[in-house]
Amino acid sequence: EAGVTQSPTHLIKTRGQQATLRCSPISGHTSVYWYQQALGLGLQFLLWYDEGEERNRGNFPPRFSGRQFPNYSSELNVNALELEDSALYLCASSKRGGGDEQFFGPGTRLTVL
Amino acid sequence: AQSVTQLGSHVSVSEGALVLLRCNYSSSVPPYLFWYVQYPNQGLQLLLKYTSAATLVKGINGFEAEFKKSETSFHLTKPSAHMSDAAEYFCAVKDSSYKLIFGSGTRLLVRP
Repeated sequence: EAGVTQSPTHLIKTRGQQATLRCSPISGHTSVYWYQQALGLGLQFLLWYDEGEERNRGNFPPRFSGRQFPNYSSELNVNALELEDSALYLCASSKRGGGDEQFFGPGTRLTVL
Repeated sequence: AQSVTQLGSHVSVSEGALVLLRCNYSSSVPPYLFWYVQYPNQGLQLLLKYTSAATLVKGINGFEAEFKKSETSFHLTKPSAHMSDAAEYFCAVKDSSYKLIFGSGTRLLVRP
């Protein structure tokens, strides 16, 4: 069974640009979660999507947004990039709305110059 | 609000020695607790989870953790460390809105 996949592996942008990160959950999983792992800030919850709807978001500004597609894959968009957005962005999926353990992908390393 | 505290940002053990990584949580409701491991430049791998079925939880790679309500602890142990165990370990609690709240992580170093 394939695990959670994320693309791209690495992404380099300049300040002010937009970044799009993608995530495909494990087959049969309907929930997708996004986390940010920034140096010195640890792992922080960003967004949760389930059945195509945003269910919860963490303490991040509105320029962090996303969506979930009918096939349950998800996209994270970060607009007006700032230097402090440089981080590893991890996607996780679970079987149903919040009830099961979350399985993580390998992450996308975003570097903002 | 729920929170997780991991004591010790770095733990160093000799190969073959006992591994003990500490995690304390705060939660107003029975918690769902997890331990994840992260190898360099990789995502998180689930080691084990506590969901109130049994206080002693066995995970992968020989790790186990014991839930102690009286101490609000969920420490991770392994009887004999292996070089391949060197990684960063995260304790997490699932809060009422289903997101994971992580501790700050403990980096395990294994000396030959």
